[in-house]
Amino acid sequence: AQSVAQPEDQVNVAEGNPLTVKCTYSVSGNPYLFWYVQYPNRGLQFLLKYITGDNLVKGSYGFEAEFNKSQTSFHLKKPSALVSDSALYFCAVRDPILTGGGNKLTFGTGTQLKVEL
Amino acid sequence: DAGVTQSPTHLIKTRGQHVTLRCSPISGHKSVSWYQQVLGQGPQFIFQYYEKEERGRGNFPDRFSARQFPNYSSELNVNALLLGDSALYLCASSLWVDSGNTIYFGEGSWLTVV
Repeated sequence: AQSVAQPEDQVNVAEGNPLTVKCTYSVSGNPYLFWYVQYPNRGLQFLLKYITGDNLVKGSYGFEAEFNKSQTSFHLKKPSALVSDSALYFCAVRDPILTGGGNKLTFGTGTQLKVEL
Repeated sequence: DAGVTQSPTHLIKTRGQHVTLRCSPISGHKSVSWYQQVLGQGPQFIFQYYEKEERGRGNFPDRFSARQFPNYSSELNVNALLLGDSALYLCASSLWVDSGNTIYFGEGSWLTVV
């Protein structure tokens, strides 16, 4: 079964500093990996995805993520954090080998990012 | 272009009642999925439909059912509501069911069961 772990419930960073939100995954084959952001009382907004190719993926709002197959990780990064980046971040994985079709996403438990002045 | 739209946005139901949640996918998207997000947790997969056929089902009881209409919109039905069904119900759409298609989410329907 596919699974995702986000080891940090909360990450605190000062505005202007780089940020990293960690994610590790477990799937039976090559994974499709996604990051979503959720603002209070809102739905999920897509940030970026890794399907294949370059291990460094660039996404929306200046975010990027690095896929590391040997460490089964897909950490979200941003060079310079903004207060407006404060939100709940979810990593998700889809196992393309699952039979029966479908594109079920398995989510982590989320990491609350707090960017302070 | 409109994103994934869901209705209603908020509703309160009593234990034992039935609820229907509705979703319209992004124009051109043929796949709709439903997720349940309980407070403090990540979304959990409930169903996926593609071309009006169920293509995946999560670990939810038979009280949960869904369907997709010819215009690709979808309904999620929950019978015999329990307090534990209180959650944010998210609808998501994508072009297809396979490959690495991006899955886009709506704003959700907040269900409170009292």
